[in-house]
Parts: sequence; C-alpha cells; structure tokens
Amino acid sequence: KNEVEQSPQNLTAQEGEFITINCSYSVGISALHWLQQHPGGGIVSLFMLSSGKKKHGRLIATINIQEKHSSLHITASHPRDSAVYICAVTGSSQGGKLIFGQGTELSVKP
Amino acid sequence: DTAVSQTPKYLVTQMGNDKSIKCEQNLGHDTMYWYKQDSKKFLKIMFSYNNKELIINETVPNRFSPKSPDKAHLNLHINSLELGDSAVYFCASSQGGLAGGETQYFGPGTRLLVL
Repeated sequence: KNEVEQSPQNLTAQEGEFITINCSYSVGISALHWLQQHPGGGIVSLFMLSSGKKKHGRLIATINIQEKHSSLHITASHPRDSAVYICAVTGSSQGGKLIFGQGTELSVKP
Repeated sequence: DTAVSQTPKYLVTQMGNDKSIKCEQNLGHDTMYWYKQDSKKFLKIMFSYNNKELIINETVPNRFSPKSPDKAHLNLHINSLELGDSAVYFCASSQGGLAGGETQYFGPGTRLLVL
C-alpha cells in the first residue's frame, strides 16, 4: 500500500460542478502539497499546507492532521481545470523529498 | 525567464548508450531534486542535493549518477541505458527543503525513450 493514497483515480465532471479530490497519508509529515500536472506534462505546485485551509481563486485545500487527510476542492469547475491533480507529502524526517500519491485525472466537460 | 529548465526535453536513444540530462534553476534555491515518472504516471524521488551535497539517494541503480557542479545545477548521467529507464525525468528545486515544508518548483521534464 502506498504511503499516500488518493481518491478517486479518475473523475469526470460537467462544467460548473463542485469537485472534491481526497488524499490520505500514513506517515508523519512536515507538509502536504497539492500539485497540478497539465496535459502537456508540466507540474505546478498549487498549495503547500501543514494545517487548516488555504484558498486560491476557485481552489481550496484543507488538511486534518489528526485524521491524516486532505481534500482539494474546485468550485465552479471549468474545462481548463482538466488535468492530473497529485497529492504529495514531505515526511517529517526525510530531507524534504516528496512522497507522491498516484494522482487523480480530472476531466471537466463543457 | 524560466525558473527551472531541463535539457533536452526529448531524448531517444539505444539500449546500452550513456546519456546525460541537465537541470538549471535561477531561483537561488539551495536544494535540487530528480524525480522519475513511470509509464503509469507515478512520480518517485531519485536524488536530492543541498548546496552541492548529496542528501537523498533513493536506492537508484548505480548506473544513475547525479552531479552538482554548483547549487544552481544538478545533472543526471545514466550509463548503460536499459529499456526500463524509459520515463519522464523531472528536476525540481526548493529554497531550503531539508526539513520539508518548502514549495518545490518543477522543470518541464525530459522524456527519455530507450529503444
């Protein structure tokens, strides 16, 4: 079993829908990261959080340290949100390396 | 100005060859990383350097040898390429990073195909 598990692995939504992607982890962490991988392959960091909640535009990320769980929400989804969303953690004693989930492939239909 | 750049972007080569991938960051970061993304799109750490010193070597075959001539560059040399080395290799950097909790900035990736 991976140290970082995401669900769902694939998600199809209609434009305008509210989307939630979940991430659970089994190791002690110093931070949790949400990344976006575009269809062209580039990877962009969306959020890094160690507690609470962060918001950027239509994206919201939350983390519950006690439950070892994080969610990424997209409000008013748009076809341009179609991408792979990757949850990753930096372990509390692992030199900053990222441990990745398997990714969630999101497709938003117009 | 590209923050983290990699060359080449595509690399097609024969089994048994030796090849290098270069990475440069102009962010002034202290820590650089190499990640491998396999055919199932799963990402995994290979190496991490902090100020030119190797910090993480994640049980990668010794055919892979990273080199950091200065803290802005981290190159990856691969000897005796095998079919299983076909993957996308991403370089990344972060400001500090040893304790975790730093945003990482990724290069565009190098798509390696071994025939």
